[in-house]
Amino acid sequence: QVQLQQSGPGLVKPSQTLSLTCAISGDSVSSDSAAWNWLRQSPSRGLEWLGRTYYRSKWYINYAVSVKSRITINPDTSKNQFSLQLNSVTPEDTAAYYCARAGGRQWLGNFFNYWGQGTLVTVSS
Amino acid sequence: EIVLTQSPGTLSLSPGERATLSCRASQSVSSSYLAWYQQKPDQAPRLLIYGASSRATGIPDRFSGSGSGTDFTLTISRLEPEDFAVYYCQQYGSSPYTFGQGTKLEIK
Repeated sequence: QVQLQQSGPGLVKPSQTLSLTCAISGDSVSSDSAAWNWLRQSPSRGLEWLGRTYYRSKWYINYAVSVKSRITINPDTSKNQFSLQLNSVTPEDTAAYYCARAGGRQWLGNFFNYWGQGTLVTVSS
Repeated sequence: EIVLTQSPGTLSLSPGERATLSCRASQSVSSSYLAWYQQKPDQAPRLLIYGASSRATGIPDRFSGSGSGTDFTLTISRLEPEDFAVYYCQQYGSSPYTFGQGTKLEIK
């Protein structure tokens, strides 16, 4: 059974960096048939895909254009987890943030079959 | 970027009735790479359908998906009380992977 456990602060000050981690159990961040994604959801922006990392003989990382200048996603093979950093946050970055897996035993495309529990992050001073 | 428009915004039905939810794409979704999710309050979305018509593991057969190109449909044949929730479509044919704004299915 795949489980994704998110951790990180729920309150971040404007201009600072939002940092979240997603610990994986029941699968491997290095799987060659999965991708590990970050998404967020807010009333104003709806559900928004932020980026992903995946391993196919080497590591790949893709970001959404909307956050590309501010986002970093990193895999951590030693802890079987991956992380999200979003720099220079503003109140518009206030949202529920989710990690999610795409793929699994076989790669069928970037739809999300397992989700973390979500972290409500508020950007406020 | 592919924009997905869902209709109606809210659908009011009674248990036992049939629900038909629509998702229209601003351009053709390649290879029918269209998924549907269900979300209940304070929960993460749950995958229902992928590849436009394939049910995810453990999803009851009252849920079905259809469509291709730019027009897709999620049908719930006989509504159960636990089906009242918000439903989202998502395209994964091209990056960025985008979602519709959701259809709220409420009890009439």
